[in-house]
Amino acid sequence: KNEVEQSPQNLTAQEGEFITINCSYSVGISALHWLQQHPGGGIVSLFMLSSGKKKHGRLIATINIQEKHSSLHITASHPRDSAVYICAVSNTGNQFYFGTGTSLTVIP
Amino acid sequence: DSGVTQTPKHLITATGQRVTLRCSPRSGDLSVYWYQQSLDQGLQFLIQYYNGEERAKGNILERFSAQQFPDLHSELNLSSLELGDSALYFCASSGLAVPYNEQFFGPGTRLTVL
Repeated sequence: KNEVEQSPQNLTAQEGEFITINCSYSVGISALHWLQQHPGGGIVSLFMLSSGKKKHGRLIATINIQEKHSSLHITASHPRDSAVYICAVSNTGNQFYFGTGTSLTVIP
Repeated sequence: DSGVTQTPKHLITATGQRVTLRCSPRSGDLSVYWYQQSLDQGLQFLIQYYNGEERAKGNILERFSAQQFPDLHSELNLSSLELGDSALYFCASSGLAVPYNEQFFGPGTRLTVL
């Protein structure tokens, strides 16, 4: 059983659409991370959160600790948002567990 | 540019060989993490060092080892290589040892074992 589950696995959207990617986890965590990986392979950390909600530009991340669930929202999606989005959790023992990623394609 | 550098970018070698991957963290960051990303397993946490000391161990095989030097750069040593070790190896750095600290990823080293 995977400690971190993401859905959907693949997502295609039209430019301008509102996008939601979901992440559920089964372990106790100290923080949840959202990562973005572009086709070239580079990974960028988008958010790290342990409660509530964070916003950066058109990206919003929320977490519900009681339900062990997080969502990543992209408003007014753009083709440059096309990437793989990976959810990861870390625990107090400094262990990291990763979801399998959501591949997003935004069509102009 | 995250400020984290990794060398080499690409490495092709044969089964049974040994390789060393190098990572230089962002200036001022004391913590270095190593990750493996393969097609079948996805991203996996291997090991973390903080200021020269091993801090946490993940799914690192016994054939793999790492260290962090006094100048804070880190090396990941992979020995007795197998076909299944072919993967992207990322390092990341952060300022603190704790897991609730933003990490900055290097560009990765693509290892191909033939």
